[in-house]
Amino acid sequence: DAGVIQSPRHEVTEMGQEVTLRCKPISGHDYLFWYRQTMMRGLELLIYFNNNVPIDDSGMPEDRFSAKMPNASFSTLKIQPSEPRDSAVYFCASSTERSTDTQYFGPGTRLTVL
Amino acid sequence: GNSVTQMEGPVTLSEEAFLTINCTYTATGYPSLFWYVQYPGEGLQLLLKATKADDKGSNKGFEATYRKETTSFHLEKGSVQVSDSAVYFCALSDPTGGFKTIFGAGTRLFVKA
Repeated sequence: DAGVIQSPRHEVTEMGQEVTLRCKPISGHDYLFWYRQTMMRGLELLIYFNNNVPIDDSGMPEDRFSAKMPNASFSTLKIQPSEPRDSAVYFCASSTERSTDTQYFGPGTRLTVL
Repeated sequence: GNSVTQMEGPVTLSEEAFLTINCTYTATGYPSLFWYVQYPGEGLQLLLKATKADDKGSNKGFEATYRKETTSFHLEKGSVQVSDSAVYFCALSDPTGGFKTIFGAGTRLFVKA
């Protein structure tokens, strides 16, 4: 079985550009999570979806960030316009509909905004 | 609200030394507890979990016991290897928290040969 798939693995862009990160969760998983990891702030939950519906986006830092899940097998996290402080590793994770269940993480996208 | 506190790193040990990484939690309900491990350049992966009080999770020589009376879930391993060098995250998932998983700050472990 393929795990969570993220693309691209690395992204380097210039300040002000639009960035789109992509995630394919594990088939059959009902929950999808987007996290950001930095040295200063550690691992932060940005937003999560249940059955393609955003449930909690309180972690999204500001209006420049948006996330969508048009179907059960695809989600995007978009930053527009990007800023240097957005540089981080962004992880997508998925799980089934039980709090006792494991979250399965993708390999992450390392974003560098110059 | 729910929270997880784990010991600050880095922790540096020699090969075959005993490892303890402390983790305590605060939760309003009856959470499940997890340890995740992150190897360099990779995402987090589950190391072990426990779903109720007094449960012991174990995997790859690591173990942790869910202690409700002390609200703790300390990670231990009797003899670490260089390949155990990684960042370890304690986490909880509480159904009253809407299925979100709350992660600790992570503890970096270095094991020297």
